Amino acid sequence: AQTVTQSQPEMSVQEAETVTLSCTYDTSESDYYLFWYKQPPSRQMILVIRQEAYKQQNATENRFSVNFQKAAKSFSLKISDSQLGDAAMYFCAYRRYNTDKLIFGTGTRLQVFP
Amino acid sequence: NAGVTQTPKFRVLKTGQSMTLLCAQDMNHEYMYWYRQDPGMGLRLIHYSVGEGTTAKGEVPDGYNVSRLKKQNFLLGLESAAPSQTSVYFCATRPQDRGYYGYTFGSGTRLTVV
Repeated sequence: AQTVTQSQPEMSVQEAETVTLSCTYDTSESDYYLFWYKQPPSRQMILVIRQEAYKQQNATENRFSVNFQKAAKSFSLKISDSQLGDAAMYFCAYRRYNTDKLIFGTGTRLQVFP
Repeated sequence: NAGVTQTPKFRVLKTGQSMTLLCAQDMNHEYMYWYRQDPGMGLRLIHYSVGEGTTAKGEVPDGYNVSRLKKQNFLLGLESAAPSQTSVYFCATRPQDRGYYGYTFGSGTRLTVV
């Protein structure tokens, strides 16, 4: 069974600095998708960034980028120029190609200090 | 355009009571999901549906039933609520054949069973 592990329950960063959130996953599949979701105090789950496993190039969305290491089964999220509004829970998620289920990690709570 | 709407947003139930959570979407998405979120456990899939009239079990289906009589609505029922079902419930949707597409989530329902 596929699993997603986020080993950092909490992280903190100074405003304008850079922070990296870790995510590892376990799968025997070669085709899959990986996602990072943000959950602010409002509870709304917001898609931050996504990566297709067959793409070697790391995805980037403005200040958010990933370091996708397929062989190591690692999918970390880097937030550059952190802002107060980035404070939230961040969930890493995995979905095997052609399946219906999105599997989540346990989340990392990010605090941003002014 | 409302996206995914969950009702109610909050509910307190007594043990043994029943209730139904409604998820309504106006995006014409084929796939709909019910997740529960518990502290330290991330989001876990309860049931899901790949189209009108279909449902399937997820990771933690016991104690819940679902129905998808209309494409736009996905109902989650608790026949006899238990304190272990205290959680935040999320509905999510996605289009068919858009695997790269991340899910769209509702804003959640906080359920407390006393």
